[in-house]
Amino acid sequence: GEDVEQSLFLSVREGDSSVINCTYTDSSSTYLYWYKQEPGAGLQLLTYIFSNMDMKQDQRLTVLLNKKDKHLSLRIADTQTGDSAIYFCAERANNAGNMLTFGGGTRLMVKP
Amino acid sequence: DAMVIQNPRYQVTQFGKPVTLSCSQTLNHNVMYWYQQKSSQAPKLLFHYYDKDFNNEADTPDNFQSRRPNTSFCFLDIRSPGLGDAAMYLCATSRGVGSGDTQYFGPGTRLTVL
Repeated sequence: GEDVEQSLFLSVREGDSSVINCTYTDSSSTYLYWYKQEPGAGLQLLTYIFSNMDMKQDQRLTVLLNKKDKHLSLRIADTQTGDSAIYFCAERANNAGNMLTFGGGTRLMVKP
Repeated sequence: DAMVIQNPRYQVTQFGKPVTLSCSQTLNHNVMYWYQQKSSQAPKLLFHYYDKDFNNEADTPDNFQSRRPNTSFCFLDIRSPGLGDAAMYLCATSRGVGSGDTQYFGPGTRLTVL
């Protein structure tokens, strides 16, 4: 079955870059997403990447995809305290009926 | 602004007392989803509607039902909530279920079961 894994926790200092990593197993992935969840809130779509791309940049966010290794990362440049949240990666895969499979989430803590 | 709205944001119910959570959308999307998210866990898909076509995940308990009376609204009914059903319930929508159809989430309803 499909499996998406993330490290549980990341702590960085304000102004540094953050890199959140994600691995997945389903080779039929078509799109991969990053969602942000602040405490007590729903999921906010941050960015996504199509599986035939290897990089996408959107302002402070850079997504890197290594399809061979099934590894996805989200880099946040100049991390701010407002970036503190849980970040979920999710894959959309043909083998899963195009439903989303989420990783367990990475809690990002930004220290002033 | 087009959006996904969930009401109420916080719901308290008693053990065994039926409860209904509500979701509405102004995106005119064809697909609506209900997810359950327990503390510190990933969202887990319960079911989704493509228009009026209901699709249940295989491991969704019978205690959970859903209704979609029209394009804009979708309800989650929990017939006899147990303590283990306390969670955040997230509604999402998408235009379709194609590989390029992004899901947009509402703010969630946090359910407490006493």
